Amino acid sequence: AQSVTQLGSHVSVSEGALVLLRCNYSSSVPPYLFWYVQYPNQGLQLLLKYTSAATLVKGINGFEAEFKKSETSFHLTKPSAHMSDAAEYFCAVSGNTNAGKSTFGDGTTLTVKP
Amino acid sequence: GAGVSQSPSNKVTEKGKDVELRCDPISGHTALYWYRQSLGQGLEFLIYFQGNSAPDKSGLPSDRFSAERTGGSVSTLTIQRTQQEDSAVYLCASSLTLADNGELFFGEGSRLTVL
Repeated sequence: AQSVTQLGSHVSVSEGALVLLRCNYSSSVPPYLFWYVQYPNQGLQLLLKYTSAATLVKGINGFEAEFKKSETSFHLTKPSAHMSDAAEYFCAVSGNTNAGKSTFGDGTTLTVKP
Repeated sequence: GAGVSQSPSNKVTEKGKDVELRCDPISGHTALYWYRQSLGQGLEFLIYFQGNSAPDKSGLPSDRFSAERTGGSVSTLTIQRTQQEDSAVYLCASSLTLADNGELFFGEGSRLTVL
């Protein structure tokens, strides 16, 4: 069994400020973890993934996430927000015992204020 | 194709009608997935295909929902006797193989509105 909890359905930051989107997971097997971004009227796009290699994962558009097993967390960060980062972000977990059945969080909408 | 293609992009139908949603995955991708995204909610897994077979149909909400995939390529999601609660965006995704577990390439979705 697996699940994902994204803390905060809406996050608002000022342009240039730190972005922190929180994700906690549970999984009965070593997890694969993902962050996807969804811009308005578009499909989801992979930002980054963790697959048991380095615990600090760098993705596209300056985002990164750190896998912390002890905290069962995979928070997404970006040092300096840009207006173009405004979108909805989804954390997802998958495991090798249920291939193809990724579980997604409810999403966090990021608003960037000028 | 270059990306996952879904059609129609928008569908408005009356309660009780049947609808078909189509997904054309990235060429060469053997795994195909259907998700449902309701307003303000996350993605709900519906079904996935490995080739033409669907090992796991447990996510289909009811027996009004069915899906098939032919030729290891195009997939069709069919909803019979639509209900208002079926209104959602239906997202299709594909991956090269199941070994790429979780790294999904998504289409733009089909927005279904049931009146």
